[in-house]
Amino acid sequence: GAGVSQSPSNKVTEKGKDVELRCDPISGHTALYWYRQSLGQGLEFLIYFQGNSAPDKSGLPSDRFSAERTGGSVSTLTIQRTQQEDSAVYLCASSLDVAGATYEQYFGPGTRLTVT
Amino acid sequence: SQKIEQNSEALNIQEGKTATLTCNYTNYSPAYLQWYRQDPGRGPVFLLLIRENEKEKRKERLKVTFDTTLKQSLFHITASQPADSATYLCALANSGYALNFGKGTSLLVTP
Repeated sequence: GAGVSQSPSNKVTEKGKDVELRCDPISGHTALYWYRQSLGQGLEFLIYFQGNSAPDKSGLPSDRFSAERTGGSVSTLTIQRTQQEDSAVYLCASSLDVAGATYEQYFGPGTRLTVT
Repeated sequence: SQKIEQNSEALNIQEGKTATLTCNYTNYSPAYLQWYRQDPGRGPVFLLLIRENEKEKRKERLKVTFDTTLKQSLFHITASQPADSATYLCALANSGYALNFGKGTSLLVTP
């Protein structure tokens, strides 16, 4: 079956430009997560969506970062006025999240963002 | 501050041997701990989840232990194969579902 997909796979942008990264989760997964992975660093949590609940935005590094999830499925991560330190691989994951239960996360292949 | 520590040095072992990777954490009270595998240029792939009330979990050649007193998890791969070469990530959460990941340990299995 189809896994988590992300687009684009690679994005090169100039400093100061805005970028949008897209994530299509696995059908039926209610939870969606965004992480980023910088060179030599671990995965850093950014934001979490669960059903119709308000998203957990506690990991967003600045107000230049925002994300939305439309119709409980596709999500878009937007970075405004990109900076060189935003260069990283942005990973999306989805999971079945049912109250009181914990499930593994399924990751997409990531979007490699390079800010020049 | 909260920390998840994994051996930063790569682990090189010979095919057929058992690989043991360590994950130590501080200032967490995790309800569960997960291990993932990551190959270059790809997203992490889930391997095993162990809950705080479980001491050990097995799946085929994989075994995970979880000691909440030592604040440590050990991840074992028995009868290792070159195809097991990858980076292995430890992840945990205090509550909720957002995971915090260690930086991972690179494993190289040579024939």
